[in-house]
Amino acid sequence: EDKVVQSPLSLVVHEGDTVTLNCSYEVTNFRSLLWYKQEKKAPTFLFMLTSSGIEKKSGRLSSILDKKELFSILNITATQTGDSAVYLCAVEGEVGSEKLVFGKGTKLTVNP
Amino acid sequence: DVKVTQSSRYLVKRTGEKVFLECVQDMDHENMFWYRQDPGLGLRLIYFSYDVKMKEKGDIPEGYSVSREKKERFSLILESASTNQTSMYLCASTPAGERVQPQHFGDGTRLSIL
Repeated sequence: EDKVVQSPLSLVVHEGDTVTLNCSYEVTNFRSLLWYKQEKKAPTFLFMLTSSGIEKKSGRLSSILDKKELFSILNITATQTGDSAVYLCAVEGEVGSEKLVFGKGTKLTVNP
Repeated sequence: DVKVTQSSRYLVKRTGEKVFLECVQDMDHENMFWYRQDPGLGLRLIYFSYDVKMKEKGDIPEGYSVSREKKERFSLILESASTNQTSMYLCASTPAGERVQPQHFGDGTRLSIL
């Protein structure tokens, strides 16, 4: 059974801190790994990773995938209160399907 | 811009009622998905559809059915609502194709069954 495990489940930091969120996975046929940010409503797409070792970056957020060790990390530098959200990791693992398997999420709280 | 619209943000129904949750996307996407999201359990796939009139069971289809009569609309049906179906329901869509593309989500419907 395909599985995605995120850690930590929750995290509280102060503004300006750097955080690293972890996502490990077990899937039969890996196609891609996706990160989403969810505030009060719809999850919004952050990154999609398909190749090992290639960092994706958007402002203060970056992510990288290790297909050998089966994990990904999401880094957020110089955190702001607006980064407070649940961060979801999902893996697409079935050839010919766009089904995603989600982790339980990491709830990040950034205090001023 | 991509738009997935769910008909209700909040819904309160009674046990035993038949409940319809509607989702519409305006991007001509082939694939549509229904998830439920519960604290400590994350997002779990209920049903998905690859095309009009096509449907596939996800991981937790029991107690639910779906309808896809038009490409842009994917309905989730609770045949006889029960209190354990109180949850946040999220709809998503993505285009078909060989190249992997991210799913786009609606804002969710928070459903309470009393």
